[in-house]
Amino acid sequence: GGIITQTPKFLIGQEGQKLTLKCQQNFNHDTMYWYRQDSGKGLRLIYYSITENDLQKGDLSEGYDASREKKSSFSLTVTSAQKNEMAVFLCASSPGRANTGQLYFGEGSKLTVL
Amino acid sequence: QQKVQQSPESLSVPEGGMASLNCTSSDRNFQYFWWYRQHSGEGPKALMSIFSDGDKKEGRFTAHLNKASLHVSLHIRDSQPSDSALYFCAAINYAQGLTFGLGTRVSVFP
Repeated sequence: GGIITQTPKFLIGQEGQKLTLKCQQNFNHDTMYWYRQDSGKGLRLIYYSITENDLQKGDLSEGYDASREKKSSFSLTVTSAQKNEMAVFLCASSPGRANTGQLYFGEGSKLTVL
Repeated sequence: QQKVQQSPESLSVPEGGMASLNCTSSDRNFQYFWWYRQHSGEGPKALMSIFSDGDKKEGRFTAHLNKASLHVSLHIRDSQPSDSALYFCAAINYAQGLTFGLGTRVSVFP
């Protein structure tokens, strides 16, 4: 088995601040994803990457940057945190480069902006 | 418009009872469906997928797909307190990837 580790687990920021979330996986999976989970809005895809140095935008990419410098890691940057923003960011991975729908998720990073 | 719609939003089931969750898609490009379960404080975990018409059973969980109506359901038999969680239906289109519904919250009470 493998595991996805997200850091930090909790992140508190100030309005306008740039904030970075990190994700590591030891499944040796090709594809990695970042989703945002808001109460009542399900899971929305921000970015995904099918291999090292590849980046593909999801439906919610505006306001975010991502980076995949190694196969095992995928980071997400909130470019300018919005006041009173609160959400959980979920990292996931899947084997291969074709999305079969079976994703393996981390436990999430909870963002609060004061 | 939400492409994957789930109902009900929440559901209370007695321990040992049957929980039934529904999911409908408005997009005929979806090839097949997944059910995910998320316990509080954890990430979602894939439960099972279904792509053929009819039933698919895995332990206490049975998924049913009707491709003509793009309706998929999940039935949890002999519900346990550990089944209390948020359940997501997700539909996959190879061109667009995975689309999640908003979820159904299941509470199993003693």
